[in-house]
Amino acid sequence: EDQVTQSPEALRLQEGESSSLNCSYTVSGLRGLFWYRQDPGKGPEFLFTLYSAGEEKEKERLKATLTKKESFLHITAPKPEDSATYLCAVASGGSYIPTFGRGTSLIVHP
Amino acid sequence: SQTIHQWPATLVQPVGSPLSLECTVEGTSNPNLYWYRQAAGRGLQLLFYSVGIGQISSEVPQNLSASRPQDRQFILSSKKLLLSDSGFYLCAWSEWGRTTGELFFGEGSRLTVL
Repeated sequence: EDQVTQSPEALRLQEGESSSLNCSYTVSGLRGLFWYRQDPGKGPEFLFTLYSAGEEKEKERLKATLTKKESFLHITAPKPEDSATYLCAVASGGSYIPTFGRGTSLIVHP
Repeated sequence: SQTIHQWPATLVQPVGSPLSLECTVEGTSNPNLYWYRQAAGRGLQLLFYSVGIGQISSEVPQNLSASRPQDRQFILSSKKLLLSDSGFYLCAWSEWGRTTGELFFGEGSRLTVL
């Protein structure tokens, strides 16, 4: 059974204070690792897919990286509008349906 | 472009009452469709998914059911709601045949069972 653990559960940053969110996973044959952003009361919004260890993806102030056991979402010089819950998910083996972690709630103070 | 619509956005139902949540997708054909539930403090739990009309797979045994009467329509139902059915219900779609797990979610339906 696929397992996804995200840490920390909550993170408070000052505007401009860079940091990283962690996603540890246990799967049998990784098909893909996904990052989503979820604003309060909204559905998750897809950000990135990473397929293999060593791969990196960037979007504005966000950069996702992948190793064989974990993924990091690096946030560089965050702004208040980056405040959201960030979800990590994995798909493995014969199933393309992602299993989600519980998310990291990020608050960026101005 | 593709869009997904989900309704109602919010509903409050008494225990034992029926439920019907509806989801439709526009701008694509034969999408894979999903129902997830997100409870407070928990992750997204997959409830049902469908790869075609009339084809429904259930992930969690419970008093909920799903139907796909048309290609781009997905309905979540219950005959008698329980308190534990409260939560945030999300419909999602992905491209047919695309096995990369990129899902596109609706705005969600918040259900409170009293």
